[in-house]
Amino acid sequence: KNQVEQSPQSLIILEGKNCTLQCNYTVSPFSNLRWYKQDTGRGPVSLTIMTFSENTKSNGRYTATLDADTKQSSLHITASQLSDSASYICVVSARNNRLAFGKGNQVVVIP
Amino acid sequence: GAGVSQSPSNKVTEKGKDVELRCDPISGHTALYWYRQRLGQGLEFLIYFQGNSAPDKSGLPSDRFSAERTGESVSTLTIQRTQQEDSAVYLCASSLEGGKTTPLHFGNGTRLTVT
Repeated sequence: KNQVEQSPQSLIILEGKNCTLQCNYTVSPFSNLRWYKQDTGRGPVSLTIMTFSENTKSNGRYTATLDADTKQSSLHITASQLSDSASYICVVSARNNRLAFGKGNQVVVIP
Repeated sequence: GAGVSQSPSNKVTEKGKDVELRCDPISGHTALYWYRQRLGQGLEFLIYFQGNSAPDKSGLPSDRFSAERTGESVSTLTIQRTQQEDSAVYLCASSLEGGKTTPLHFGNGTRLTVT
């Protein structure tokens, strides 16, 4: 079983609308959680990192949350733009430095 | 500044041939990773280099796969006797300190097609 599960697998949203992506993990002991954005044909790019003590962090229109007790994170996209169409990958780092990747949330923003 | 560079960007090869993929990491990054991404799938860990330590090869799917890294610079991933199932995008990433709190910086990958 994958240590990092993301949902929904894919979604289509209208330009200007908001959406929330979910990441549940079982990685232990936990070090940090990072969200990456992967545009089609490109490598993933880091959006934000969440450490154990952080509950929420924003990067422009992206806001990540972390609940270390329930081992859940979310990535909220506000006022979506066409350029937000991408795969969003949740990556959890364990204290032994092993990285566990989710399969990604595929987001398609339509005009 | 220069990011992670991978070459070639695309490679088409016949089944049974050997291929070599190259990764130039960001200068000063001690950690280097190789991942495989099949169409529509998540990233699959292959191998991890950290400084002069022995590489973590636990993700290599078979003995047809091997990788080398010269010091803290260029890395090559070699696939021998390629099979159609090897068709995928191969992504390389580098980071400071093995990505403990620093992000992975990915290249744009090499798209390998085995015919």
